[in-house]
Amino acid sequence: DAVLTQTPLSLRVTLGQPASISCRSSQALVHSNGNTYLSWLHQRSGQPPRLLVYRISNRFSGVPDRFSGSGAGTDFTLRISRVQAEDVGVYYCMQATHFPRTFGQGTKLEIK
Amino acid sequence: EVQLLESGGGLVQPGGSLRLSCAASGFTFVDYGMAWVRQAPGKGLEWVSTISGNAKNTHYADSVKGRFTISRESSENTLHLQMNSLRTEDTAIYYCVKEVGDPVFFDSWGQGALVTVSS
Repeated sequence: DAVLTQTPLSLRVTLGQPASISCRSSQALVHSNGNTYLSWLHQRSGQPPRLLVYRISNRFSGVPDRFSGSGAGTDFTLRISRVQAEDVGVYYCMQATHFPRTFGQGTKLEIK
Repeated sequence: EVQLLESGGGLVQPGGSLRLSCAASGFTFVDYGMAWVRQAPGKGLEWVSTISGNAKNTHYADSVKGRFTISRESSENTLHLQMNSLRTEDTAIYYCVKEVGDPVFFDSWGQGALVTVSS
């Protein structure tokens, strides 16, 4: 299985400041078709997750451009350029290149 | 607008069975794979199962293989998860998820159905 390890597990950020979350995979996530199926999701307390970024760096519909994804191979990063109050919650990376689909442990973002 | 509405959750004793359903609307159901993802109380996300749009291909997490069965009824735009031989560790919120692509990303999630396995 592709184990996804996120760092840090907890993040406290001042409003308007940047934030960065790392996701490292135990296996390369490049599919045989050449694409890499690494996504980022955000979950607020009591809500289902919602998709932020797919295939490493593509922002999903309606996602603000302060969110950006990058990376390749086994190392990926989600960046928030200027954290807003509504960004609190837990962020998960997820891979869909291999079965079983797997998620990172989650990174909890709080406002300082 | 995509809507996914889960039903069928509840309290069941260990060893018992439960069937979850997910009513889908706002998209052409047969064109998309669907999945179940669960989240134990206070824990992270765990993929459970996936079924292709034409229902010919299914995949399961090792933790549920042989106990859970995913299916879909295209005529009713409904996804199901039959859960047998339930264990206390199956206690979780179960989310119905719409997939896009092959391989995929999970673009739409339902609100979830709570399954509690306890004596």
